[in-house]
Parts: sequence; C-alpha cells; structure tokens
Amino acid sequence: GESVGLHLPTLSVQEGDNSIINCAYSNSASDYFIWYKQESGKGPQFIIDIRSNMDKRQGQRVTVLLNKTVKHLSLQIAATQPGDSAVYFCAESRGNQFYFGTGTSLTVIP
Amino acid sequence: GAGVSQSPSNKVTEKGKDVELRCDPISGHTALYWYRQSLGQGLEFLIYFQGNSAPDKSGLPSDRFSAERTGGSVSTLTIQRTQQEDSAVYLCASSLLGSKTEAFFGQGTRLTVV
Repeated sequence: GESVGLHLPTLSVQEGDNSIINCAYSNSASDYFIWYKQESGKGPQFIIDIRSNMDKRQGQRVTVLLNKTVKHLSLQIAATQPGDSAVYFCAESRGNQFYFGTGTSLTVIP
Repeated sequence: GAGVSQSPSNKVTEKGKDVELRCDPISGHTALYWYRQSLGQGLEFLIYFQGNSAPDKSGLPSDRFSAERTGGSVSTLTIQRTQQEDSAVYLCASSLLGSKTEAFFGQGTRLTVV
C-alpha cells in the first residue's frame, strides 16, 4: 500500500556530529514534503520543506535531500546539539492531506 | 495569537461521555486539519477544512466523531460516547493555502478516557 515510512525508528549521535534521518515514500505523484520535529509533550514543529522540482534545500543547520528516482527523502542536521533530541517526522503532501510516518527518535549524547 | 491554539490541553473523561476539543487556527489560514496521535505513533489524519468547501471527512474513524469549522476560523472536534480507544493526543494544524504550503500545529489536546 501507499505509505510514508522511516528506515530507522531510533538514532543516537554524539553531540557535534552530523545526523541523517531517512524517509521513504511510495507515491511518485507526491510533490511536496515537510520535515517536522516533535519534542515530548509538544505539537510537531515545522523544520524545513521541499517541493518535487528541487533536489536539495538548506536551512539553518538543516538540509533536506529529495531523490525522486528512489522516492527517498532525508534530513541532515549539522553539528547536532542536545536540543535537537526529539522525534522527527517526514510528511508527504498528497491530495488534501499530509501523510506522516511513525517518526525517528533522535537522541543526542553529550 | 501568533500560533495555533488548542483547548483544553488535557481532558480526562469517563467512557460514554461526549467531549469537545477546540482549535483556533492562525489568522488568515484557509486550511485546517485535525490529526490524532496515539502513544509512540505517527499522525493519523481525521478531517480537513478548506475555505468554504465541503470538508474532507475521510479520516474520521467512526460516526461518533464529527467536526465543525465556524466562520472559516475556529474548529470544534466532537467525540460522542467516548471509548477507551479514543485516548490519544488530538492535534490541530492550519496552513495558508492547503496541503501545498506548510502546516503549523498546535500543542494538542491529550484525551484520556477512563
């Protein structure tokens, strides 16, 4: 079936290292993607988005890469900090909805 | 306010009771979404409002769930005859122009049915 999924449910990184969180999607018609960060007890927070006419987009310490050939999305966080510890979701826009995966829990080790 | 506001932040209710959850979207946002998030899970789509169009109710899990959006702004999600499986965090989001622009989420309402 169609789905947005994540390759790894948990990820631990040392403070200062770079983090890469991956996401696979199955619908080639999807044309807009968002990464969200969710801290415990809070709602998802927008991080960065990318449209399907782009391969890469950069923000502050974050980069999103889109590979439409293999329907893969990744979020790269540079110089990961303790405040980056959270669950990260990718969301795929299709029709009226955003479809979310189950998330990747990122833990930053001081 | 500057962001999406939801109330109450927490709600404990007895099985069989009705509950109403409120969402105040960002001013000027035409699209409003309700999602449900169970513990440790992703977000499950419930319903979508876009301007004056008929809402997309395709995600509502049963006829006990309903939602309204009055005046294109505030939305209320109503769950009738609550069941224990309804326990979850209910998240509201709004976006300027639907699912082709970023959606901003509120803090959610944590519903516990006992």
